[in-house]
Amino acid sequence: AQSVTQLDSQVPVFEEAPVELRCNYSSSVSVYLFWYVQYPNQGLQLLLKYLSGSTLVKGINGFEAEFNKSQTSFHLRKPSVHISDTAEYFCAVRVMYSGGGADGLTFGKGTHLIIQP
Amino acid sequence: DGGITQSPKYLFRKEGQNVTLSCEQNLNHDAMYWYRQDPGQGLRLIYYSQIVNDFQKGDIAEGYSVSREKKESFPLTVTSAQKNPTAFYLCASSIGSGGSLSGANVLTFGAGSRLTVL
Repeated sequence: AQSVTQLDSQVPVFEEAPVELRCNYSSSVSVYLFWYVQYPNQGLQLLLKYLSGSTLVKGINGFEAEFNKSQTSFHLRKPSVHISDTAEYFCAVRVMYSGGGADGLTFGKGTHLIIQP
Repeated sequence: DGGITQSPKYLFRKEGQNVTLSCEQNLNHDAMYWYRQDPGQGLRLIYYSQIVNDFQKGDIAEGYSVSREKKESFPLTVTSAQKNPTAFYLCASSIGSGGSLSGANVLTFGAGSRLTVL
């Protein structure tokens, strides 16, 4: 079974500073990778996804992530954060089975991004 | 606007009672999912359904039940057998659960239902 590790449960950053949220996964087969954001008391919203092609993926709100197959990582970055980026961020992986089907997403435990003025 | 509607947003229940959480989508999605969210635990899959009248257990199905009688609806019942039901429950849907390169793998989430057992 696949698993997802988000190494930091909480990341405090000053406003307008860059940020990187780390995500590593384990899987013996090809995967699809996602980052979701959750604002307080709300559902999750897709930030970006990697399905195939270019390993650098750009998403909404100025976020981007880079897929590194050799390091099994999919770290999320933003060059300059804003107060409104304060939220919980979840990395997720879905395995593509050889039969063509796919299971539900496996989520990491989340990273709380705290933007300090 | 298309989306997923979960109700109620907040729910209180006494121990020993069953409770049903509603999830309705008007996105014409085939697949629907229920996740449970606890602080520091991330999201854990309870049940999912790829098609009407069919559903599969996820990682933590014990104490829960679902039905999928209509494409638009995927209600979750939290039974009295669930030992620790207090949590935030999220419903989601996707076009399909197949592995194509389309939007099939992207989940759309509802706003969640917070269940508290008194």
